[in-house]
Amino acid sequence: DTAVSQTPKYLVTQMGNDKSIKCEQNLGHDTMYWYKQDSKKFLKIMFSYNNKELIINETVPNRFSPKSPDKAHLNLHINSLELGDSAVYFCASSHLSERRDSVGETQYFGPGTRLLVL
Amino acid sequence: QKEVEQDPGPLSVPEGAIVSLNCTYSNSAFQYFMWYRQYSRKGPELLMYTYSSGNKEDGRFTAQVDKSSKYISLFIRDSQPSDSATYLCAMTKAAGNKLTFGGGTRVLVKP
Repeated sequence: DTAVSQTPKYLVTQMGNDKSIKCEQNLGHDTMYWYKQDSKKFLKIMFSYNNKELIINETVPNRFSPKSPDKAHLNLHINSLELGDSAVYFCASSHLSERRDSVGETQYFGPGTRLLVL
Repeated sequence: QKEVEQDPGPLSVPEGAIVSLNCTYSNSAFQYFMWYRQYSRKGPELLMYTYSSGNKEDGRFTAQVDKSSKYISLFIRDSQPSDSATYLCAMTKAAGNKLTFGGGTRVLVKP
């Protein structure tokens, strides 16, 4: 009964390849995110979808393309992989709430996908 | 300069000691403040959540927010070896906005 799951957990590939990472959440949340964590543990938002609509799109190369087939899934496709793409990619989900005393902005994270580009 | 600054550590303490962690930030628009714990090779998990200024206590954990100084803290009392992890502060302007994270502080609690 994993809340936020990602596949694969590990991904080793050659430079120039195209790869996809999948994310699924069973929490009934309406918002999903992709984060990149570099070797220095710095977590940075890449994309966010709310009800299948893109709401956050940070300065990310257009080689990265998110796709949300439904509210429970958010996939990340990466074209022409580069060495600098090596990192851990985390998916997260949350439920938007306007109640200030709630944890509406609480984001639940998946276990991460470790990508190594050779 | 990053929006959120956090000392990377490592912070090494003996078991039973109080762990004191903090973050400073530059954007006065941040309203929601969170602390996440991340074990090695795992995803971050939420520990504490605070809206605006004030203190919040949950078991051995206490979170403090001082918006006037743009400074937030997390205290862990009676630290245990199982508290050894990286602690990340995070903040956001409003529900639905992106979280901005600090770089994390690695904590080691020695038995």
